[in-house]
Amino acid sequence: AQSVSQHNHHVILSEAASLELGCNYSYGGTVNLFWYVQYPGQHLQLLLKYFSGDPLVKGIKGFEAEFIKSKFSFNLRKPSVQWSDTAEYFCAVKVRGYQKVTFGTGTKLQVIP
Amino acid sequence: DAMVIQNPRYQVTQFGKPVTLSCSQTLNHNVMYWYQQKSSQAPKLLFHYYDKDFNNEADTPDNFQSRRPNTSFCFLDIRSPGLGDAAMYLCATRERNYRGLDTEAFFGQGTRLTVV
Repeated sequence: AQSVSQHNHHVILSEAASLELGCNYSYGGTVNLFWYVQYPGQHLQLLLKYFSGDPLVKGIKGFEAEFIKSKFSFNLRKPSVQWSDTAEYFCAVKVRGYQKVTFGTGTKLQVIP
Repeated sequence: DAMVIQNPRYQVTQFGKPVTLSCSQTLNHNVMYWYQQKSSQAPKLLFHYYDKDFNNEADTPDNFQSRRPNTSFCFLDIRSPGLGDAAMYLCATRERNYRGLDTEAFFGQGTRLTVV
């Protein structure tokens, strides 16, 4: 069964700092990868996704993520965070051909103005 | 324009009293999921429907049941809620087309269940 690890549980950054959140998954086959964001009081929303092709994917609000197959990683990055990026970020994986979407435990990002 | 709608947003139930949470979608997606999310934990998949096919996770307690009477609606029934069932319950939908092309999951706002 697939699993997802997010190494950082709580990250605090100042505005304009760069962000990188780690995500590793365990499954040897073909996967779809996702980053979701949950702003306070709101539902989970998709930030970006990887299905195939270019391993560097760009999402909304200036976020990007790079799929490194050899490392089973899908780290999320943003060059310069804003206060409005304060939220919880979840990495998720789905094995191609199956329906189950497995989530990591999430990383709470707090951006200080 | 809400696409996955969960009702109610907040539900308080008594210990042992059956409770039903509902989810509806306007996306016409063929897959619907129910997740349980406790504080500071990952959303945990309870079960999902692929069309009318029900798929239960192996570790989902028998206390949790689900119904999907049509494409648009899905219900989560908790037969005898315990204190440990207090959590946020998330409904999500996804389209899996018959050529095997996938899309992402779309989530509702969740229902926060309190058991007293």
